[in-house]
Amino acid sequence: QLQLQESGSGLVKPSQTLSLTCAVSNGSISSGGSSWNWIRQPPGKGLEWLGYIYESGTTYDNPSLQSRVTMSVDRSKNQFSLKLSSVTAADTAVYYCARAFENLEAARYFDVWGQGILVTVSS
Amino acid sequence: DIVMTQSPESLTVSLGERATINCKSSQSVFYSSTNKNFLAWYQQKPGQPPKVLIYWATTRESGVPDRFSGSGSGTDFTLTISSLQAEDVALYYCQQYYTVPLTFGGGTKVEIK
Repeated sequence: QLQLQESGSGLVKPSQTLSLTCAVSNGSISSGGSSWNWIRQPPGKGLEWLGYIYESGTTYDNPSLQSRVTMSVDRSKNQFSLKLSSVTAADTAVYYCARAFENLEAARYFDVWGQGILVTVSS
Repeated sequence: DIVMTQSPESLTVSLGERATINCKSSQSVFYSSTNKNFLAWYQQKPGQPPKVLIYWATTRESGVPDRFSGSGSGTDFTLTISSLQAEDVALYYCQQYYTVPLTFGGGTKVEIK
């Protein structure tokens, strides 16, 4: 059973860069047919999709984040990463990584999720 | 962006009774060339990540009890829990994957009466 696990700093100062990594286990990030996604949830609020990356390195990030997102993939470590620059208190949220097994149908729903990591933006 | 609007925001139902959650998209998420609706439903319990229940609007994920069903097409969708169980207390979200950016509904909280 594929598993995902987020890691990174749980406290980031305003204007700095949030950095998270998602480790993939019991499966390969290079197995093909999947996109690797980041989704966040502010405390007590709903879900916001941040973007995806394919194992090829192709990315798409949500325009709502105004180009503050950088995503990368490290096939040798079987993990992918998120950087969010110029953070403010509004970026405080639980950040999830998730897999979408798209196959050939653009099936971008999320069938495997990490447990999530709370990132607080505060000085 | 496609805006997903869920109703109601919260729902209180007696054990064994039916719970119905609605989701409306601001534009159609039906792709005619594949005859599929690009719509998923998730359940989220406190302190846990969301779990997919339904995809393609009506297909139940493996292992999901058959009391959960999805219906609808185009812009109007429904998640039905036919006989509410105590373990179904959770937040429920719809999500469109017809186009990027992918978007979620605001969520519906289901509680026991």
